[in-house]
Amino acid sequence: KAGVTQTPRYLIKTRGQQVTLSCSPISGHRSVSWYQQTPGQGLQFLFEYFSETQRNKGNFPGRFSGRQFSNSRSEMNVSTLELGDSALYLCASSPWGQVRGESDTQYFGPGTRLTVL
Amino acid sequence: KNQVEQSPQSLIILEGKNCTLQCNYTVSPFSNLRWYKQDTGRGPVSLTIMTFSENTKSNGRYTATLDADTKQSSLHITASQLSDSASYICVVSMNRDDKIIFGKGTRLHILP
Repeated sequence: KAGVTQTPRYLIKTRGQQVTLSCSPISGHRSVSWYQQTPGQGLQFLFEYFSETQRNKGNFPGRFSGRQFSNSRSEMNVSTLELGDSALYLCASSPWGQVRGESDTQYFGPGTRLTVL
Repeated sequence: KNQVEQSPQSLIILEGKNCTLQCNYTVSPFSNLRWYKQDTGRGPVSLTIMTFSENTKSNGRYTATLDADTKQSSLHITASQLSDSASYICVVSMNRDDKIIFGKGTRLHILP
């Protein structure tokens, strides 16, 4: 069974540009979550999609958005890039996501390393 | 405030030795606690998951403990190997709004 894949693996952009990152979950997984990881802040939750609907959202500005397609693949978009957006963006999939009161293992992709110049 | 604090921030030990990483949390209401291992340049990989009623869970040389009363968890690594060099991240899920709180991780270095 193929793991979570993310494209591209590396990306360099300049301030003010926008970027779209892609995530393909493990086959059969319906939940896709996005995270930002920086050395200073660690992993921070961006949002979770389940069955094409955003189910949870972290504390990030509206410049960060996402969507999920009917095949569970997900994209994340960041508009008007800032230097502070430089980070590793991780995508994680799971069968049902963070179902209340139950455990559900998330499987992470390798991440997209975004550098904003 | 819902927080997850991990200690130490970094740790260096010799190959073959044991070590214990700590995770203290103030997350409420608690749903479950996970430990992840993240190798450099890779995404995190789940090691253990524990719910409120579980106080220990093992995965090979990794043993996690949970004390829900004191809101503390530890990850014990036995007979460390060079491949254990990684960041170990403690993650606590809330039993409300499905929120997930991440610790900043412990960076473990195993020396030959």
